[in-house]
Amino acid sequence: DQQVKQNSPSLSVQEGRISILNCDYTNSMFDYFLWYKKYPAEGPTFLISISSIKDKNEDGRFTVFLNKSAKHLSLHIVPSQPGDSAVYFCAAGRSDTNAGKSTFGDGTTLTVKP
Amino acid sequence: GAGVSQSPSNKVTEKGKDVELRCDPISGHTALYWYRQSLGQGLEFLIYFQGNSAPDKSGLPSDRFSAERTGGSVSTLTIQRTQQEDSAVYLCASSLAWTDYGYTFGSGTRLTVV
Repeated sequence: DQQVKQNSPSLSVQEGRISILNCDYTNSMFDYFLWYKKYPAEGPTFLISISSIKDKNEDGRFTVFLNKSAKHLSLHIVPSQPGDSAVYFCAAGRSDTNAGKSTFGDGTTLTVKP
Repeated sequence: GAGVSQSPSNKVTEKGKDVELRCDPISGHTALYWYRQSLGQGLEFLIYFQGNSAPDKSGLPSDRFSAERTGGSVSTLTIQRTQQEDSAVYLCASSLAWTDYGYTFGSGTRLTVV
């Protein structure tokens, strides 16, 4: 039972356009969501997070949207740049357990074409 | 150090042998996590250490896997009698406040069991 799903294994966009990466989750107890970016041969790097009390969080070119009723979140990158080409992982966790343990999706490979 | 350090970066071992993977977290981070990523898969939680509390071992796939964290700092993940399905990238991460800053991951140890 995969609790965090990223249904698109890959996404290709043109430089300057918007990239939208999607993530769905099944566990309604998740109240914290994070996006990570991973380059080859490196560990994932934290990008942005959102708590369930919000529906949007923005940081520069990156915006995460949360739709709790649909158990869906998305990461928007505007404008996309070739350096954004990487694997993006969605992760979810429960802050109430104070465990900090996150459940990750399988990742979406983003390619931004110059 | 400035980041999470893992060693070795690559390890090739024969089936049936034991291996030890080392993680040196960021100084001051009380939480330490081990995840693994098999080819084409997401990050699978293995074990979590938080301060002096008993570790959360709920993700360890079998009793061949064990981990220690000595002195609240360095951690060692040990895999006994390795099997081919243990081949993966083993990622260590540490955190101070995972809800706002996510984890800081190391670059991982790529384990290949032949």
